[in-house]
Amino acid sequence: AQSVTQPDIHITVSEGASLELRCNYSYGATPYLFWYVQSPGQGLQLLLKYFSGDTLVQGIKGFEAEFKRSQSSFNLRKPSVHWSDAAEYFCAVGFSGYSTLTFGKGTMLLVSP
Amino acid sequence: DGGITQSPKYLFRKEGQNVTLSCEQNLNHDAMYWYRQDPGQGLRLIYYSQIVNDFQKGDIAEGYSVSREKKESFPLTVTSAQKNPTAFYLCASSIGQDQPQHFGDGTRLSIL
Repeated sequence: AQSVTQPDIHITVSEGASLELRCNYSYGATPYLFWYVQSPGQGLQLLLKYFSGDTLVQGIKGFEAEFKRSQSSFNLRKPSVHWSDAAEYFCAVGFSGYSTLTFGKGTMLLVSP
Repeated sequence: DGGITQSPKYLFRKEGQNVTLSCEQNLNHDAMYWYRQDPGQGLRLIYYSQIVNDFQKGDIAEGYSVSREKKESFPLTVTSAQKNPTAFYLCASSIGQDQPQHFGDGTRLSIL
């Protein structure tokens, strides 16, 4: 069965510093990959997605992610974090032939002044 | 604007009571999903439906039931058999499997 690992439960970053959130998945097939963001008490908003092609994908709010097949990873990056980026971030994976996505347990991003 | 509407935003359940959470979408999506979210647990799939009048159990379906009589509606009933129903419930929809899911703003269910 497929699984998604987000190794960092919490990350604290200074405002203006760069950010990288890690995501690893297990399974042998080519995945469909997503990053979502959730503010407290809200639903999830799609940041970006990867289906095929260029392994570096751009998303909303200045985020990008890179798919590395050899490492089974899809890490989320942002060059300069803003205080409004503080939220919980979820990585999700889907595979052809499967009807549902598998979500990681999330990484809570805290932004310090 | 198209989107997913979940209601109510807050819901309280008495012991032994069934409650129904509403989820409506006007995105013309075929697939709809219900997730349960607990702190530190991520999203766990309760039920999903890929087409009207058809649905499948997810990972934690016990104590829950759903119906899909209309394309735009996918209500979730939390039955008295669900012994620990306190959680944040999220409804989502997508054009089809393996496509991005769009989420509602959630319903927070608590026990009185």
